[in-house]
Amino acid sequence: DIQMTQSPSTLSASVGDRVTITCRASQNIVTWLAWYQQKPGKAPRLLVYKASFLERGAPSRFSGSGSGTEFTLTISSLQPEDFATYYCQQYNSYPYTFGQGTNLAIK
Amino acid sequence: QVQLVQSGADVKKPGASMKVSCRASGYNFIDYYIHWVRQSPGQGLEWMGWINPHSGGTNFAPKFQGRVTMTRDTSISTAYIELSSLRSDDAAVYYCARSKLRIAVSNLPFFDYWGQGTPVTVSS
Repeated sequence: DIQMTQSPSTLSASVGDRVTITCRASQNIVTWLAWYQQKPGKAPRLLVYKASFLERGAPSRFSGSGSGTEFTLTISSLQPEDFATYYCQQYNSYPYTFGQGTNLAIK
Repeated sequence: QVQLVQSGADVKKPGASMKVSCRASGYNFIDYYIHWVRQSPGQGLEWMGWINPHSGGTNFAPKFQGRVTMTRDTSISTAYIELSSLRSDDAAVYYCARSKLRIAVSNLPFFDYWGQGTPVTVSS
């Protein structure tokens, strides 16, 4: 199975900050990567797919980049509603796997 | 609007089986794969498998092969997952999720709509 490793596991930031979350794959996954946001008690929400394609309805302050084994999710200017947990997911190879999550908390 | 509505929370004993339903509305049920993903504190998010609602075809993660069944009833736009021989580490929130792309286009498994989740407790 492809292992997905996110860093950091926890990130403290303030409203207005620019933040970046990294996701590393144990094998080349080309650009077959999605990012999700999850708030407590809710299902994940798709933000980005194919590494850099913004899902319809996702705010433009979110952006994804990367290819191969290293990927990033960037939030250009944090808003109060962005404090949540973020997950990456590879869909290059079966079985499809997720990162362990990055908890974005208010500083 | 697209909605996936799941059955309610359940409590099972070790060794028993669980069955969770996922009723779709707001789109043509047979046009999109339904996947099942579970989330537990110990394992995070785990992809379990998919069902093609049009054909009934399925594919499961190796970890769950032999214990999982996925079915659908197209007359009521509902997908089901059954997991047998439950263990304590099967305690999780089970989600159904829809593939973003139509079956006719691709089975790239990333998910644009999710059910609300069904908590399953496994306890004697």
